[in-house]
Amino acid sequence: NAGVTQTPKFQVLKTGQSMTLQCAQDMNHNSMYWYRQDPGMGLRLIYYSASEGTTDKGEVPNGYNVSRLNKREFSLRLESAAPSQTSVYFCASEIQGTSPLHFGNGTRLTVT
Amino acid sequence: GQQVMQIPQYQHVQEGEDFTTYCNSSTTLSNIQWYKQRPGGHPVFLIQLVKSGEVKKQKRLTFQFGEAKKNSSLHITATQTTDVGTYFCAGIFGNEKLTFGTGTRLTIIP
Repeated sequence: NAGVTQTPKFQVLKTGQSMTLQCAQDMNHNSMYWYRQDPGMGLRLIYYSASEGTTDKGEVPNGYNVSRLNKREFSLRLESAAPSQTSVYFCASEIQGTSPLHFGNGTRLTVT
Repeated sequence: GQQVMQIPQYQHVQEGEDFTTYCNSSTTLSNIQWYKQRPGGHPVFLIQLVKSGEVKKQKRLTFQFGEAKKNSSLHITATQTTDVGTYFCAGIFGNEKLTFGTGTRLTIIP
């Protein structure tokens, strides 16, 4: 099993450009998450989807949108990238509410 | 929002020494999870603690959950170079989602 797959692994954007980060899991998990990781700040939740068809804001949702395309896929979109969005982005999934999270390998995004 | 404080931020130890990282919350946690992230890698789940005063062991790693369910610790005995990485605690408050601590980065001096 591949687990949680994220694409791309690396991306460089200019301020104002848009892009979509893709995430797919093959574990039949119900819940999916997007986190960003910045030095000294741990992992902060951007958006999550508790189940197919639902999405909710996390701690730092501003500047992002998400789509739960189906049970497997959960994408994160930056409509107009800003330097403050330079970060490492992780997608994660879990069977349900308080289960362990399974993380993808991450996307390193730089916005210049 | 709720916060989970984790200390220390960095720890450098000689190989073979012990290591401990601590997590604290001002409010009661439903449960707490621990993750390890190797340099350049992604967080990997280690363990979940649910019960007050719970202690769990994984080989050289010992995890504790406080009696009041407001603090937790991870202790590694006789560190090895394979222990290098950042250790995160992540707590759940009530029915909310996981809140991650800021992590403790462990480096080993051979």
